[in-house]
Amino acid sequence: EVQLVESGGGLVQPGGSLRVSCAAFGFSFRRSWMDWVRQVPGKGLVWVSRIDDDGTRKFYADSVKGRFTISRDNAKDTLYLQMNSLRAEDTAVYYCTRDYSGHFGNWGQGTLVTVSS
Amino acid sequence: DVVMTQSPLSLPVTLGQPASISCRSTQGLVHSDGNTYLSWFQQKPGQSPRRLIYKISNRDSGVPDRFSGSGSGTDFTLKITRVEAEDVGVYYCMQSTHIPPTFGPGTTVDV
Repeated sequence: EVQLVESGGGLVQPGGSLRVSCAAFGFSFRRSWMDWVRQVPGKGLVWVSRIDDDGTRKFYADSVKGRFTISRDNAKDTLYLQMNSLRAEDTAVYYCTRDYSGHFGNWGQGTLVTVSS
Repeated sequence: DVVMTQSPLSLPVTLGQPASISCRSTQGLVHSDGNTYLSWFQQKPGQSPRRLIYKISNRDSGVPDRFSGSGSGTDFTLKITRVEAEDVGVYYCMQSTHIPPTFGPGTTVDV
């Protein structure tokens, strides 16, 4: 069974940093492109970032470019999102997703990041 | 960026009756590889999104056959032949042909 398990969310002050992780189970992680999508509670879905299967190609939404870094460790079947210079508007649930048969085929349960003083 | 619009944004339904959601994009969604990356997602209250349909009309594993997708170019539709109580939630269309991938605003389906 495919599982994506996010962790690392929490409360952080504006300007601070946080790294969220996504552990992958039940599929060939090293062969899968992966994405991060976020959702402000009660609002819509917004794509954040994408990484190719070996970590060489990375893509970012304009709103996070230069502040967020996506990465992966294929030996640990884990995806990461390093978030720096956090702003109140980055407050959201962050979902890890796996691309198969197109994009965003599997989703994790999400991890809540709250940016507030 | 490609803007996705949906209508209606709120869809009251009657159990056992059909329902339909329209999705439009501001650009054509045919990728250079020949595929059209238009997907539909369902998000039930308190849950993560779940993909129902990919590449316009392909149902994901485990998705009931009362859900179907259609369309081409810039106009797409999600149809439910007979709405069941478990179908209540928010439905999003999404294009991933162009970077950045973009989602529609969501359609709330409620009984």
